[in-house]
Amino acid sequence: SQQGEEDPQALSIQEGENATMNCSYKTSINNLQWYRQNSGRGLVHLILIRSNEREKHSGRLRVTLDTSKKSSSLLITASRAADTASYFCATNSYGNNRLAFGKGNQVVVIP
Amino acid sequence: NAGVTQTPKFQVLKTGQSMTLQCAQDMNHEYMSWYRQDPGMGLRLIHYSVGAGITDQGEVPNGYNVSRSTTEDFPLRLLSAAPSQTSVYFCASSQRPKEVSPLHFGNGTRLTVT
Repeated sequence: SQQGEEDPQALSIQEGENATMNCSYKTSINNLQWYRQNSGRGLVHLILIRSNEREKHSGRLRVTLDTSKKSSSLLITASRAADTASYFCATNSYGNNRLAFGKGNQVVVIP
Repeated sequence: NAGVTQTPKFQVLKTGQSMTLQCAQDMNHEYMSWYRQDPGMGLRLIHYSVGAGITDQGEVPNGYNVSRSTTEDFPLRLLSAAPSQTSVYFCASSQRPKEVSPLHFGNGTRLTVT
């Protein structure tokens, strides 16, 4: 069943601004992952955060995880036009070989 | 390395026809999976495999069959296509089956069933 659920709004920002999107989930997880999908392409893995981690950075990306609230956020700093894409969170539960994706959050960065 | 290769890129079927969507990976990944992506629904897991000879059902398996005779290939078969199977299909693989590690996706097959 669907686990990750992103905030459903599309986000439109100016180049250089920060973009934040959130994801909530319902059951205990082993790890949570964020993916990016450009139009007409497959998903690309961005970052994985384990359940015992609270924050992780990768370049201009910052992911936080709050297991008490069953939520995660993805922050993209200093956005670029190339960041225009849909962003998905996905969760993996303990003892489970599945990755459950949310519905995605579209981000448009205006040059 | 080519990564995950899906063929065909586009396909149109008539209701009742059968076909096989091909997926191959050259990364020696143990875990492979099929998802379908529909507008407003995100990605839903159809079937997955943790190694050659082992397959299991995902969230939406009805109307689809899979097999995993080799590590590299994981074909998805539509037995009798229905309009509800119109979707974009993604194959994905990852290295470790026991804890789902980052998935590598193919570029998808866009299927229309009329």
